[in-house]
Amino acid sequence: EAGVAQSPRYKIIEKRQSVAFWCNPISGHATLYWYQQILGQGPKLLIQFQNNGVVDDSQLPKDRFSAERLKGVDSTLKIQPAKLEDSAVYLCASSPRQGGTGELFFGEGSRLTVL
Amino acid sequence: AQSVAQPEDQVNVAEGNPLTVKCTYSVSGNPYLFWYVQYPNRGLQFLLKYIPGDNLVKGSYGFEAEFNKSQTSFHLKKPSALVSDSALYFCAVRDIRVASGTYKYIFGTGTRLKVLA
Repeated sequence: EAGVAQSPRYKIIEKRQSVAFWCNPISGHATLYWYQQILGQGPKLLIQFQNNGVVDDSQLPKDRFSAERLKGVDSTLKIQPAKLEDSAVYLCASSPRQGGTGELFFGEGSRLTVL
Repeated sequence: AQSVAQPEDQVNVAEGNPLTVKCTYSVSGNPYLFWYVQYPNRGLQFLLKYIPGDNLVKGSYGFEAEFNKSQTSFHLKKPSALVSDSALYFCAVRDIRVASGTYKYIFGTGTRLKVLA
């Protein structure tokens, strides 16, 4: 079974530039999560999708971050314009369905450096 | 709201010795608790989970964890540490959004485990 795919793995940009990250969850997984992991901290949920609907985006800085999950499969997270404090690893995760007792399946992450 | 705490930023242990990585939780009701491991430049990998039932949970790579309700703890353990166990370990709890009835996962701050040869 293929895992969660993320790209790019690494991205370096100047502040005020834009960047987009892509995630393809495990086939059939209805729930998709984007987490931000700042160095030395635990993952923080940015946005959670159930199929193509948003379940929770309360911690997404909506003035600069946006995310979509068209057709309920893959997802894109965009940052525009980037700030220095956005330097982090952006983790995508998926799970088969809402609730249950199952664990999350994570991708390798996309490391963003903002200069 | 549910939360987890990992009181140690780093744990050092000699290879072959038993290891413990601590996690305490604050929940209402019966918790669902998880341990994940993160190797350098990699995503998080699931190790094990507790769902209400048996208090001793066995997981991947020889790890196990004990749920202790009286101490509100869910410590990760391994009888004999390997150098390859050196990584970042995260405890997590599943929380419910009352308004929508949906679930989210809240992670601790992580504990770096160093196993010394």
